[in-house]
Amino acid sequence: SAVISQKPSRDICQRGTSLTIQCQVDSQVTMMFWYRQQPGQSLTLIATANQGSEATYESGFVIDKFPISRPNLTFSTLTVSNMSPEDSSIYLCSATSPGAGELFFGEGSRLTVL
Amino acid sequence: AQKITQTQPGMFVQEKEAVTLDCTYDTSDQSYGLFWYKQPSSGEMIFLIYQGSYDEQNATEGRYSLNFQKARKSTNLVISASQLGDSAMYFCAMREAGSNDYKLSFGAGTTVTVRA
Repeated sequence: SAVISQKPSRDICQRGTSLTIQCQVDSQVTMMFWYRQQPGQSLTLIATANQGSEATYESGFVIDKFPISRPNLTFSTLTVSNMSPEDSSIYLCSATSPGAGELFFGEGSRLTVL
Repeated sequence: AQKITQTQPGMFVQEKEAVTLDCTYDTSDQSYGLFWYKQPSSGEMIFLIYQGSYDEQNATEGRYSLNFQKARKSTNLVISASQLGDSAMYFCAMREAGSNDYKLSFGAGTTVTVRA
């Protein structure tokens, strides 16, 4: 199994600012993902964080709004840029490797944008 | 098109009783995996149980079991002997064989409230 730590766990942000969320995995994993969960909603995949290359974004999400880095096999960051109240969500980092079976999740970062 | 459908937005169950959460899925793949996750109010996603499309037996994990009906494309989660700590949101998810990067598609979720 993998233990995933996210920072910050929660934050209150002002409109127009940007915030970077960090995700640290306690073991090397092949794949890392970022999900968004808007209030009362299900999880929506933002992007796959690729090590050493640009992330692969899902439809509706763009790099300018959600830049992602993954410098190595255990660490990734997601930045939520130029935030608006609509960005108020839980952002979840997840990771897995072939043969691991399940997708492991961090505790989530709960962002509130005023 | 919606790949995972959970039609029960909320359910109430009495402590110590069993509750069944419905989940249907849509895929043309023969090989796929089905997952259930629990999300308490604190927000973390807790993996509960997994069913592979080729598994002949229904998966069980402690008080959690699946009623997997492949022909009907459904995988219902049964929580037996409910406890107050089972109150949470429950998500059904699927990983398709064509998804080389192991992405999961999630359903809308079902909120379970256990009453004392």
